Amino acid sequence: ETGVTQTPRHLVMGMTNKKSLKCEQHLGHNAMYWYKQSAKKPLELMFVYSLEERVENNSVPSRFSPECPNSSHLFLHLHTLQPEDSALYLCASSQDGRSYEQYFGPGTRLTVT
Amino acid sequence: TQLLEQSPQFLSIQEGENLTVYCNSSSVFSSLQWYRQEPGEGPVLLVTVVTGGEVKKLKRLTFQFGDARKDSSLHITAAQPGDTGLYLCAGTRNNDMRFGAGTRLTVKP
Repeated sequence: ETGVTQTPRHLVMGMTNKKSLKCEQHLGHNAMYWYKQSAKKPLELMFVYSLEERVENNSVPSRFSPECPNSSHLFLHLHTLQPEDSALYLCASSQDGRSYEQYFGPGTRLTVT
Repeated sequence: TQLLEQSPQFLSIQEGENLTVYCNSSSVFSSLQWYRQEPGEGPVLLVTVVTGGEVKKLKRLTFQFGDARKDSSLHITAAQPGDTGLYLCAGTRNNDMRFGAGTRLTVKP
């Protein structure tokens, strides 16, 4: 595997479910990011991790809970989501938290029913 | 209002035509990136520009950073169907990076 991978690629969940999104980067980078991409809106930065520490949380509702166990893996735990949370969730990595050249995974298409 | 305004929002052209898309802001950026995102995939970094007035070429793609570092353009020469995708610009200021909403380009054979 090379680059940034994300699983699952597609997820349909009910509002009472609990699920997790997984991201793995094989680039030796030290920073990882979660973004939300909705139709006709700019990419929204959700969380930033640098050297496994969360350095940014952009007022994201608590029903989204990130976890970064090491510099290669990033999770986004989901619980009691709302239909408006349906979107493409993108993971990205960069050399460090101050590098703005980011490498993205293919995303998880999430639908909340 | 968005920090970065991209125009046009949608563009549909025939193969072989030239096109320019724009990324504008009232803010000064320390750097600006262009990404292309194809359907079902994540954005892929195309280029980074950092110096006012800088021009970078990537095959048929020409990127320009405005002299005041507030705007950028992407020009594609002789567009091909493989250029189809969402073109995103992202600007960095004060260690904060923000994306525009993108220009969705369709190149018809």
